[in-house]
Amino acid sequence: AQTVTQSQPEMSVQEAETVTLSCTYDTSENNYYLFWYKQPPSRQMILVIRQEAYKQQNATENRFSVNFQKAAKSFSLKISDSQLGDTAMYFCAFMRVYNFNKFYFGSGTKLNVKP
Amino acid sequence: SQTIHQWPATLVQPVGSPLSLECTVEGTSNPNLYWYRQAAGRGLQLLFYSVGIGQISSEVPQNLSASRPQDRQFILSSKKLLLSDSGFYLCAWSPLRGSSPLHFGNGTRLTVT
Repeated sequence: AQTVTQSQPEMSVQEAETVTLSCTYDTSENNYYLFWYKQPPSRQMILVIRQEAYKQQNATENRFSVNFQKAAKSFSLKISDSQLGDTAMYFCAFMRVYNFNKFYFGSGTKLNVKP
Repeated sequence: SQTIHQWPATLVQPVGSPLSLECTVEGTSNPNLYWYRQAAGRGLQLLFYSVGIGQISSEVPQNLSASRPQDRQFILSSKKLLLSDSGFYLCAWSPLRGSSPLHFGNGTRLTVT
Protein backbone atom coordinates (compact mmCIF):
# COMPACT_ATOMS: atom_id res chain seq x y z
CA ALA A 1 0.00 0.00 0.00
CA GLN A 2 1.08 3.54 -0.68
CA THR A 3 1.51 6.05 2.14
CA VAL A 4 2.07 9.79 2.03
CA THR A 5 3.56 11.60 4.99
CA GLN A 6 3.55 15.30 5.70
CA SER A 7 5.52 15.79 8.89
CA GLN A 8 4.79 19.50 9.39
CA PRO A 9 1.24 19.99 10.72
CA GLU A 10 1.61 23.78 10.69
CA MET A 11 4.07 26.36 9.39
CA SER A 12 4.32 30.14 9.30
CA VAL A 13 6.11 32.45 6.92
CA GLN A 14 6.39 36.19 6.55
CA GLU A 15 4.89 37.78 3.48
CA ALA A 16 7.41 37.92 0.59
CA GLU A 17 9.58 35.22 2.14
CA THR A 18 10.15 31.68 0.89
CA VAL A 19 8.83 28.54 2.57
CA THR A 20 9.25 24.83 1.86
CA LEU A 21 6.67 22.20 2.74
CA SER A 22 7.84 18.60 3.06
CA CYS A 23 6.30 15.43 1.76
CA THR A 24 7.58 11.88 1.66
CA TYR A 25 5.89 8.83 0.24
CA ASP A 26 6.34 5.11 0.25
CA THR A 27 5.67 2.99 -2.80
CA SER A 28 6.98 0.06 -4.76
CA GLU A 29 5.52 1.43 -7.97
CA ASN A 30 7.71 2.87 -10.68
CA ASN A 31 5.05 4.73 -12.64
CA TYR A 32 3.21 7.35 -10.64
CA TYR A 33 2.42 11.02 -10.34
CA LEU A 34 2.66 13.45 -7.47
CA PHE A 35 0.57 16.51 -6.78
CA TRP A 36 0.26 19.39 -4.38
CA TYR A 37 -3.21 20.68 -3.62
CA LYS A 38 -4.14 23.87 -1.80
CA GLN A 39 -7.25 24.13 0.38
CA PRO A 40 -7.96 27.74 1.41
CA PRO A 41 -10.51 28.60 4.12
CA SER A 42 -13.25 28.21 1.50
CA ARG A 43 -12.27 24.49 1.54
CA GLN A 44 -12.19 24.29 -2.24
CA MET A 45 -9.42 21.91 -3.31
CA ILE A 46 -7.17 23.61 -5.84
CA LEU A 47 -4.41 21.91 -7.79
CA VAL A 48 -1.11 23.73 -7.32
CA ILE A 49 1.42 21.64 -9.19
CA ARG A 50 2.05 18.13 -10.53
CA GLN A 51 5.13 16.01 -11.15
CA GLU A 52 5.56 12.92 -13.31
CA ALA A 53 7.79 10.34 -11.64
CA TYR A 54 9.58 9.54 -14.89
CA LYS A 55 10.68 13.15 -15.32
CA GLN A 56 13.81 14.21 -13.52
CA GLN A 57 13.18 17.90 -14.09
CA ASN A 58 11.39 19.55 -11.21
CA ALA A 59 8.02 21.09 -12.02
CA THR A 60 7.48 24.83 -11.70
CA GLU A 61 4.33 26.93 -11.75
CA ASN A 62 5.03 30.62 -11.26
CA ARG A 63 5.97 31.07 -7.58
CA PHE A 64 5.53 27.36 -6.84
CA SER A 65 8.19 24.77 -7.50
CA VAL A 66 8.96 21.28 -6.30
CA ASN A 67 12.08 19.40 -5.29
CA PHE A 68 11.48 15.85 -6.44
CA GLN A 69 13.97 13.29 -5.16
CA LYS A 70 12.78 9.96 -6.52
CA ALA A 71 15.37 7.77 -4.82
CA ALA A 72 14.62 9.38 -1.48
CA LYS A 73 10.86 9.36 -2.21
CA SER A 74 10.66 13.00 -1.32
CA PHE A 75 8.47 15.66 -2.91
CA SER A 76 8.71 19.09 -1.28
CA LEU A 77 6.90 22.26 -2.33
CA LYS A 78 8.66 25.60 -2.34
CA ILE A 79 6.62 28.78 -2.32
CA SER A 80 8.58 31.90 -3.24
CA ASP A 81 7.52 35.46 -2.51
CA SER A 82 4.75 34.24 -0.20
CA GLN A 83 1.49 36.15 -0.39
CA LEU A 84 -1.35 36.46 2.09
CA GLY A 85 -3.54 34.51 -0.33
CA ASP A 86 -1.22 31.53 0.05
CA THR A 87 -2.60 30.96 3.54
CA ALA A 88 -4.22 27.53 3.29
CA MET A 89 -3.91 23.83 4.00
CA TYR A 90 -1.57 22.12 1.58
CA PHE A 91 -1.94 18.46 0.74
CA CYS A 92 0.57 16.25 -0.96
CA ALA A 93 -0.96 13.51 -3.09
CA PHE A 94 0.33 10.37 -4.79
CA MET A 95 -1.41 8.85 -7.79
CA ARG A 96 -0.79 5.25 -8.72
CA VAL A 97 -1.14 4.65 -12.44
CA TYR A 98 -2.75 1.29 -12.89
CA ASN A 99 -6.00 -0.02 -14.33
CA PHE A 100 -7.56 2.52 -12.03
CA ASN A 101 -6.03 5.79 -10.93
CA LYS A 102 -6.01 5.75 -7.16
CA PHE A 103 -4.99 8.78 -5.15
CA TYR A 104 -3.44 8.86 -1.70
CA PHE A 105 -3.23 12.04 0.36
CA GLY A 106 -1.03 13.21 3.18
CA SER A 107 -2.50 14.66 6.37
CA GLY A 108 -1.80 18.22 5.26
CA THR A 109 0.28 21.21 6.36
CA LYS A 110 -1.44 24.37 7.48
CA LEU A 111 0.48 27.37 6.14
CA ASN A 112 0.00 30.80 7.67
CA VAL A 113 1.40 33.75 5.75
CA LYS A 114 1.90 36.69 8.08
CA PRO A 115 1.85 40.33 6.98
CA SER B 1 -14.87 22.23 -20.26
CA GLN B 2 -15.60 19.84 -17.44
CA THR B 3 -17.38 20.88 -14.28
CA ILE B 4 -18.41 19.07 -11.14
CA HIS B 5 -21.40 19.99 -9.05
CA GLN B 6 -21.93 18.84 -5.49
CA TRP B 7 -24.87 19.61 -3.23
CA PRO B 8 -25.98 20.60 -0.73
CA ALA B 9 -23.17 22.86 0.48
CA THR B 10 -24.14 22.49 4.12
CA LEU B 11 -26.41 20.09 5.93
CA VAL B 12 -27.47 19.66 9.54
CA GLN B 13 -29.16 16.37 10.29
CA PRO B 14 -30.22 14.65 13.53
CA VAL B 15 -28.78 11.32 14.56
CA GLY B 16 -30.71 8.45 13.02
CA SER B 17 -31.94 10.41 10.00
CA PRO B 18 -31.13 9.40 6.40
CA LEU B 19 -28.56 11.09 4.20
CA SER B 20 -28.26 11.73 0.49
CA LEU B 21 -25.45 13.77 -1.03
CA GLU B 22 -25.32 14.14 -4.76
CA CYS B 23 -22.55 14.84 -7.22
CA THR B 24 -22.71 15.26 -10.99
CA VAL B 25 -20.02 15.82 -13.58
CA GLU B 26 -20.50 17.64 -16.87
CA GLY B 27 -18.39 17.76 -19.99
CA THR B 28 -16.85 14.30 -19.86
CA SER B 29 -17.82 10.66 -20.24
CA ASN B 30 -16.93 7.56 -18.24
CA PRO B 31 -15.18 9.41 -15.44
CA ASN B 32 -13.78 7.76 -12.36
CA LEU B 33 -15.76 9.11 -9.42
CA TYR B 34 -14.73 9.38 -5.78
CA TRP B 35 -16.15 10.30 -2.38
CA TYR B 36 -13.72 11.58 0.24
CA ARG B 37 -14.31 12.61 3.83
CA GLN B 38 -12.25 15.19 5.65
CA ALA B 39 -12.51 15.32 9.43
CA ALA B 40 -11.80 18.67 11.08
CA GLY B 41 -8.14 19.64 10.64
CA ARG B 42 -7.23 16.35 9.05
CA GLY B 43 -6.46 14.83 5.69
CA LEU B 44 -8.68 13.22 3.09
CA GLN B 45 -9.98 9.72 3.59
CA LEU B 46 -11.18 7.88 0.51
CA LEU B 47 -14.61 6.40 1.18
CA PHE B 48 -15.78 5.09 -2.20
CA TYR B 49 -14.73 5.07 -5.80
CA SER B 50 -16.45 4.02 -8.99
CA VAL B 51 -15.17 3.15 -12.46
CA GLY B 52 -18.60 2.82 -14.05
CA ILE B 53 -22.35 2.66 -13.62
CA GLY B 54 -23.28 0.38 -10.76
CA GLN B 55 -19.61 -0.35 -9.95
CA ILE B 56 -18.77 0.80 -6.43
CA SER B 57 -15.72 0.00 -4.36
CA SER B 58 -15.57 0.76 -0.67
CA GLU B 59 -12.33 1.65 1.02
CA VAL B 60 -13.42 1.55 4.65
CA PRO B 61 -16.26 -0.22 6.45
CA GLN B 62 -18.76 2.32 7.67
CA ASN B 63 -22.28 3.52 7.99
CA LEU B 64 -22.32 4.99 4.50
CA SER B 65 -23.02 3.63 1.04
CA ALA B 66 -22.58 4.96 -2.47
CA SER B 67 -24.38 4.48 -5.75
CA ARG B 68 -23.80 5.44 -9.36
CA PRO B 69 -27.15 5.27 -11.15
CA GLN B 70 -25.91 7.20 -14.18
CA ASP B 71 -22.53 7.63 -15.82
CA ARG B 72 -21.88 11.07 -14.37
CA GLN B 73 -23.88 10.88 -11.15
CA PHE B 74 -22.51 9.73 -7.83
CA ILE B 75 -24.58 9.57 -4.65
CA LEU B 76 -23.47 9.14 -1.04
CA SER B 77 -26.13 7.78 1.29
CA SER B 78 -26.86 6.60 4.76
CA LYS B 79 -29.99 5.03 6.22
CA LYS B 80 -29.26 6.23 9.76
CA LEU B 81 -26.67 8.88 10.50
CA LEU B 82 -24.28 8.64 13.44
CA LEU B 83 -22.59 11.51 15.24
CA SER B 84 -19.29 10.24 13.86
CA ASP B 85 -20.53 10.84 10.31
CA SER B 86 -20.06 14.58 10.79
CA GLY B 87 -17.40 16.03 8.54
CA PHE B 88 -16.64 17.61 5.22
CA TYR B 89 -17.44 15.44 2.21
CA LEU B 90 -15.81 15.95 -1.13
CA CYS B 91 -16.78 14.46 -4.44
CA ALA B 92 -14.11 14.23 -7.11
CA TRP B 93 -13.60 12.91 -10.60
CA SER B 94 -10.69 11.96 -12.84
CA PRO B 95 -10.57 10.72 -16.44
CA LEU B 96 -10.91 6.98 -16.89
CA ARG B 97 -7.35 6.75 -18.17
CA GLY B 98 -4.34 8.97 -18.16
CA SER B 99 -2.42 11.07 -15.73
CA SER B 100 -4.85 13.84 -14.94
CA PRO B 101 -5.24 14.96 -11.34
CA LEU B 102 -8.38 14.76 -9.29
CA HIS B 103 -10.93 17.51 -9.79
CA PHE B 104 -12.98 18.28 -6.73
CA GLY B 105 -16.44 19.62 -6.07
CA ASN B 106 -16.95 22.39 -3.56
CA GLY B 107 -17.77 19.96 -0.76
CA THR B 108 -20.60 19.42 1.71
CA ARG B 109 -20.25 20.28 5.37
CA LEU B 110 -22.35 17.73 7.27
CA THR B 111 -23.16 18.21 10.94
CA VAL B 112 -24.97 15.41 12.71
CA THR B 113 -26.64 16.61 15.91
